[in-house]
Amino acid sequence: DGGITQSPKYLFRKEGQNVTLSCEQNLNHDAMYWYRQDPGQGLRLIYYSQIVNDFQKGDIAEGYSVSREKKESFPLTVTSAQKNPTAFYLCASSRRGEQYFGPGTRLTVT
Amino acid sequence: AQKITQTQPGMFVQEKEAVTLDCTYDTSDPSYGLFWYKQPSSGEMIFLIYQGSYDQQNATEGRYSLNFQKARKSANLVISASQLGDSAMYFCAMREGRGADYKLSFGAGTTVTVRA
Repeated sequence: DGGITQSPKYLFRKEGQNVTLSCEQNLNHDAMYWYRQDPGQGLRLIYYSQIVNDFQKGDIAEGYSVSREKKESFPLTVTSAQKNPTAFYLCASSRRGEQYFGPGTRLTVT
Repeated sequence: AQKITQTQPGMFVQEKEAVTLDCTYDTSDPSYGLFWYKQPSSGEMIFLIYQGSYDQQNATEGRYSLNFQKARKSANLVISASQLGDSAMYFCAMREGRGADYKLSFGAGTTVTVRA
């Protein structure tokens, strides 16, 4: 089945550690996105990529980094510079506007 | 300024009744698209319905319909014949422009609770 996978579903890290969240899609979509969601809030765009080897900052890119070496994969690294990393992270891909979302990764940093 | 405004943080609806979720948007771009997503407690975002700014008819998808009032810049979601499984958070989102840049701006969401 085609879709987007994010792993793991739950992730725990100590403060000061970098952590990488995985996002893989087999929908053959060119564009991919990372969003952050805080409790009771909407989604905010962190980074997005329209094609391989290219990506742009979203509204809240500080403290995050991404890479897009393959069409299928768009990993997000939450660095120690991110002041409040505990959140729910959603990855999406799109073709012609409609975005398809993965199941999300809930990151807790203590 | 907020691009998408959802003014109802939470709503209760009786099973089998209809419910309307409000969404207003702000854009100066003549070409835009409006989306509604459902987010159950599991967290996954489920696409429900789409309305393009040039679409003449209001979008419908099964029990979901979008009441698009362009002059008022509103795109309310109507869920008919509510079911217990409709209990979730609902987000309105907007894409601006026609290019390949399909960034979405999301509202804060409305939590819907369906009562038996």
